[in-house]
Amino acid sequence: GAGVSQSPSNKVTEKGKDVELRCDPISGHTALYWYRQRLGQGLEFLIYFQGNSAPDKSGLPSDRFSAERTGESVSTLTIQRTQQEDSAVYLCASSTGHSYEQYFGPGTRLTVT
Amino acid sequence: QKEVEQNSGPLSVPEGAIASLNCTYSDRVSQSFFWYRQYSGKSPELIMSIYSNGDKEDGRFTAQLNKASQYVSLLIRDSQPSDSATYLCAVNNDYKLSFGAGTTVTVRA
Repeated sequence: GAGVSQSPSNKVTEKGKDVELRCDPISGHTALYWYRQRLGQGLEFLIYFQGNSAPDKSGLPSDRFSAERTGESVSTLTIQRTQQEDSAVYLCASSTGHSYEQYFGPGTRLTVT
Repeated sequence: QKEVEQNSGPLSVPEGAIASLNCTYSDRVSQSFFWYRQYSGKSPELIMSIYSNGDKEDGRFTAQLNKASQYVSLLIRDSQPSDSATYLCAVNNDYKLSFGAGTTVTVRA
C-alpha cells in the first residue's frame, strides 16, 4: 500500500516568510509524528497526534511553529516568520497507534535564505 | 545523560564481514526497540523491531536485546556496499521514540 507522503519535497523561502508543510499518513494509522533533522544531526521530535486526543506539542521549538491534524488524516506543519536556523529536513512519520513502529515519509527539505 | 547513545562511527568494514552496532538506553521501562537505516539524503527506514530479550534474525540482520544491561545491538552479516548508511537506534519513551544520533557504516569493497 501507499506509504507516508509529504509535500513539497523541497521548499526554498526567504527569511521572515511563512511556510506550510503537509503530511499524508498511511491509511489507517492513527498516530502521526513530526520531526526535524538538521544537516548531520539526529532526529528532533516536534509534535505528536493520536486520533482525536490533544496533541503532544512538547517538542515545538518556539511559538512560530504550529501543527494541525484533522481526525486521522492529513497534517500540516506551519512555520511563521521563518529564520535561517529553521533550515532542515522536516520528517513526518505515522504508526498504527497500537505499535510503536513508525514509518517515515520522504521528508521536506526547507531552506531559508 | 542522553536517553539513547550510539557510537557515531564511522564504522568501516570490508565487504563480506560482520558489522556490529551498539546502542544503550537510559529508561528502564522501555519495552520496544528499533533499528532504522538512513541512506544519505533519504529518510529513515525501519529494518528491525525487537521487544524481548535475546536475538531476532531477519535475513542478514540480527538484533540483540538485553534489558537488564539496557543494551541493544545490530549485527549485519556478509556486509555489502549497499549497507553503507547511518543506522539509528530508537527506543520507546511512552508513546514517543527516542532516537540515537546514529552510527555511520561504510562497507568497503
